[in-house]
Amino acid sequence: GAGVSQSPSNKVTEKGKDVELRCDPISGHTALYWYRQSLGQGLEFLIYFQGNSAPDKSGLPSDRFSAERTGGSVSTLTIQRTQQEDSAVYLCASSPLGTDTQYFGPGTRLTVL
Amino acid sequence: AQSVAQPEDQVNVAEGNPLTVKCTYSVSGNPYLFWYVQYPNRGLQFLLKYITGDNLVKGSYGFEAEFNKSQTSFHLKKPSALVSDSALYFCAVRDYSNYQLIWGAGTKLIIKP
Repeated sequence: GAGVSQSPSNKVTEKGKDVELRCDPISGHTALYWYRQSLGQGLEFLIYFQGNSAPDKSGLPSDRFSAERTGGSVSTLTIQRTQQEDSAVYLCASSPLGTDTQYFGPGTRLTVL
Repeated sequence: AQSVAQPEDQVNVAEGNPLTVKCTYSVSGNPYLFWYVQYPNRGLQFLLKYITGDNLVKGSYGFEAEFNKSQTSFHLKKPSALVSDSALYFCAVRDYSNYQLIWGAGTKLIIKP
């Protein structure tokens, strides 16, 4: 079946612009995670959605970052007033209920000029 | 606080030789341990996990990992390396009470022909 998909695969933007990154999880997966991966670094947790529960936003680095998940499926990560330090690969992962295994998308590479 | 350490930024192994990628962890309770692999220009893929039971866990592509509670380690191993094993490997941990995975910084594995 189809895996986790993310769009766009690459995004180049100018400092101060807003960007939206999209994640389509595997159908039926209840959990959805957003991570940020900077060059040479591990994964930085951003936000977690589980079913209809309130999301865990504890990893969002600033109030310029927000995310939503509509209908328990597609998720959008929005970064407002982008800064150069936001440049990174943004990864989305989903998990079915009752399992720890996360299935990752290919990521969106964001470059802020 | 939970943490994961991958002490080697890079590991070089000749094809056909055994390989080990090291991981040590710190959690307050019983650990759930994971290995993921990231091939160039591809998303992260699940390799294997330890939850409970046998300390030697077998995973995808001939990899295995050994859970050592006294040394708080979960090293990834393969008896005979292939050039195609060259990739970035991530160790991750969580305890039973926390769904968030804590990720190591990654180890670049280079297998030379």
